[in-house]
Amino acid sequence: DTGVSQNPRHKITKRGQNVTFRCDPISEHNRLYWYRQTLGQGPEFLTYFQNEAQLEKSRLLSDRFSAERPKGSFSTLEIQRTEQGDSAMYLCASSFGRTTGANVLTFGAGSRLTVL
Amino acid sequence: GQQVMQIPQYQHVQEGEDFTTYCNSSTTLSNIQWYKQRPGGHPVFLIQLVKSGEVKKQKRLTFQFGEAKKNSSLHITATQTTDVGTYFCAGSAQGAGTASKLTFGTGTRLQVTL
Repeated sequence: DTGVSQNPRHKITKRGQNVTFRCDPISEHNRLYWYRQTLGQGPEFLTYFQNEAQLEKSRLLSDRFSAERPKGSFSTLEIQRTEQGDSAMYLCASSFGRTTGANVLTFGAGSRLTVL
Repeated sequence: GQQVMQIPQYQHVQEGEDFTTYCNSSTTLSNIQWYKQRPGGHPVFLIQLVKSGEVKKQKRLTFQFGEAKKNSSLHITATQTTDVGTYFCAGSAQGAGTASKLTFGTGTRLQVTL
């Protein structure tokens, strides 16, 4: 296993189109996170899963965003009716959740979205 | 909601000079983590601090967690060009459990020149 894999690496789309990103976490990791990062900013939390359950979703996240992790392995993040403000790097991270202690995140290289 | 701020936003030093970035949370944290993001790269985990007042060292890097568990700092001694990047702190709110999200700070971008 070589780490967290994200596809596609780059996506250019027109406003109003739907886009989907895929994340393959480290195989033994049970937790998967999606973050969004714009230039000069820190990663902003979007949502996270433990196994196949989506446990938290950012209140700032529009209803146009949806994420799934159907079998507790890979995850998809879909953005419907894209807007120019959705242009950002979408980062996926995974971790092994323990009963005590915090999660150490391993990030993927990210999927860069440009909405024209 | 929880906010995590870092200062300075940007620092430019000459190789060999020291560098410090400070991280302040609006809420008490259960732990603090530090990540480094190289230009064009993704965040990479550096270290985690859990105990109040904890200090950890990694070669030229010294990390500190405040007594009140609301602030942290990263100090680099004798910077090198390989230290270039953006340093983020990230914390989990106290009482939120281990499954809570990490809130990232605003980051400090470090530029090192010869």
